[in-house]
Amino acid sequence: GENVEQHPSTLSVQEGDSAVIKCTYSDSASNYFPWYKQELGKGPQLIIDIRSNVGEKKDQRIAVTLNKTAKHFSLHITETQPEDSAVYFCAASIGKAAGNKLTFGGGTRVLVKP
Amino acid sequence: EAGVVQSPRYKIIEKKQPVAFWCNPISGHNTLYWYLQNLGQGPELLIRYENEEAVDDSQLPKDRFSAERLKGVDSTLKIQPAELGDSAVYLCASSLSRAAEAFFGQGTRLTVV
Repeated sequence: GENVEQHPSTLSVQEGDSAVIKCTYSDSASNYFPWYKQELGKGPQLIIDIRSNVGEKKDQRIAVTLNKTAKHFSLHITETQPEDSAVYFCAASIGKAAGNKLTFGGGTRVLVKP
Repeated sequence: EAGVVQSPRYKIIEKKQPVAFWCNPISGHNTLYWYLQNLGQGPELLIRYENEEAVDDSQLPKDRFSAERLKGVDSTLKIQPAELGDSAVYLCASSLSRAAEAFFGQGTRLTVV
């Protein structure tokens, strides 16, 4: 089955700096790659996703890039703010829909220092 | 609009006891998921429902876990008997369909002692 590796496990950045989280996946058939943000005591919240027919997607300070050949994708957060502090999860699934089985990475705990 | 509601938020039980979790999805959402999240790890799918039908339960340990979604709305997840290793957060999520974004509830944190 699919295996998703996520790095780093923790990331500490100064407010205003950029943060980058990287994920690799094993199943070349995967074609849907969402990113989730999970704050303490809350469930994961989808922040951005990308499908395999797209190489990059941006939404304000958040961007995701996908390299299907290398089977890796990354989350980029620019101009980080204290409210960006949370655990971030990448995921991958086969099929177009979120309803297909999502395999999550192990998570990255991001701390933005004011 | 209310999000996915789960109860209880926290549950502490002794091993070998039964426990049940309840989930009320967002109104109109046909697809419902139960995920298991161990400490410091990503969620893992246990079971997915399309309306009242369980369409993917391959990861559900059927010897002790059971789930139901009567009438295709609310769902319950049960563990009987609970083991120490079942201590985790149990997340429920729902989506309009299998092709739509999944919204997660806050989860139920289970501690088995």
